[in-house]
Amino acid sequence: QKEVEQDPGPLSVPEGAIVSLNCTYSNSAFQYFMWYRQYSRKGPELLMYTYSSGNKEDGRFTAQVDKSSKYISLFIRDSQPSDSATYLCAMSGHFGNEKLTFGTGTRLTIIP
Amino acid sequence: DVKVTQSSRYLVKRTGEKVFLECVQDMDHENMFWYRQDPGLGLRLIYFSYDVKMKEKGDIPEGYSVSREKKERFSLILESASTNQTSMYLCASSLNPGVTDTQYFGPGTRLTVL
Repeated sequence: QKEVEQDPGPLSVPEGAIVSLNCTYSNSAFQYFMWYRQYSRKGPELLMYTYSSGNKEDGRFTAQVDKSSKYISLFIRDSQPSDSATYLCAMSGHFGNEKLTFGTGTRLTIIP
Repeated sequence: DVKVTQSSRYLVKRTGEKVFLECVQDMDHENMFWYRQDPGLGLRLIYFSYDVKMKEKGDIPEGYSVSREKKERFSLILESASTNQTSMYLCASSLNPGVTDTQYFGPGTRLTVL
């Protein structure tokens, strides 16, 4: 079993819809949770970063962490065609100098 | 803006060749990383470095080596390329010790080994 599971999609939604992207994980030591966005033929770029449980909002994006369920989510409100990309979750443990563990990524397409 | 550059966007090599992938960052970052990205497997860490001349193995170091002679440059070496090393290779860097710091990625090198 992989440490981090992420539905690869593809996921297609109409413009303006709310998008929900999710990851589950098995390692209870994970404390830092990140979402990266990767456009086609580009490297990933950090979108959101949360520590431990709770919600974090940044414009149209909300990251949610439920450590009791080992489940993290990224919500995109009022989705735009420019949001079309692959979204990767990543996480790491409590102590510094530990590597990031990535999900496989979900490919998202927003249809105009 | 942080810039991480990789020497080639596309590379085609033959089995058994020695392959060098170069990565340069221009923000004086301490940490540099090499990943490979494959469909269904996501990003997997090959090697990382927290300082010049320092390296640590990641999850899948077999068949690879690295070199960091200068702070801004981190090279990935495939001593004898094999077809199962066909992949997208991504370099990343971050400022502070501890990988919870933001990692900035390069555009990637798509390597095909024939």
